[in-house]
Amino acid sequence: GAGVSQSPSNKVTEKGKDVELRCDPISGHTALYWYRQSLGQGLEFLIYFQGNSAPDKSGLPSDRFSAERTGGSVSTLTIQRTQQEDSAVYLCASSLEGTANYEQYFGPGTRLTVT
Amino acid sequence: KNEVEQSPQNLTAQEGEFITINCSYSVGISALHWLQQHPGGGIVSLFMLSSGKKKHGRLIATINIQEKHSSLHITASHPRDSAVYICAVGGGSQGNLIFGKGTKLSVKP
Repeated sequence: GAGVSQSPSNKVTEKGKDVELRCDPISGHTALYWYRQSLGQGLEFLIYFQGNSAPDKSGLPSDRFSAERTGGSVSTLTIQRTQQEDSAVYLCASSLEGTANYEQYFGPGTRLTVT
Repeated sequence: KNEVEQSPQNLTAQEGEFITINCSYSVGISALHWLQQHPGGGIVSLFMLSSGKKKHGRLIATINIQEKHSSLHITASHPRDSAVYICAVGGGSQGNLIFGKGTKLSVKP
């Protein structure tokens, strides 16, 4: 079956512009995660959705970052007034349930470059 | 100090060698994940374990909960095993993971 998909695969934007990144999780997966991987750095958690519960936003680095998940499926990560330090690969993952005891399936990522 | 520490950071091996990558963590966990990331590629989950040992093909993962330590072993390594191997842990009712910085493995023919 289809895996996790993300779009766009690459995005170049000017500093100060807003960007939207999209994630389509595996059908039937109730949990969806956004992570970020900056150049030379490890992966860091951004935000997590589980079913209809309020999202865990504890990893968002600033209030310029927000995300929503519509209908328990597709998710959009929005970065407002982008800064150069936002340049990174943004990865989405989904899992059947929202605990660490379930395998997470990762999308290919969106490479964001802020010029 | 990072909550998840991996060693070594970089590893070069000759084809056929037995490889071990280590992961230590300092937080309480319910599960530990080993992930593989190929250059320019996505991330693939190799193992998810909460106790004992798991084996898949030439890959073996072990975890010692008391010592807060896990190892990933690759037997009869091959150049196609060249990748970054990432240890990640998660705990409680939340599914988000805390990641190590990864071990970059290069297997020479």
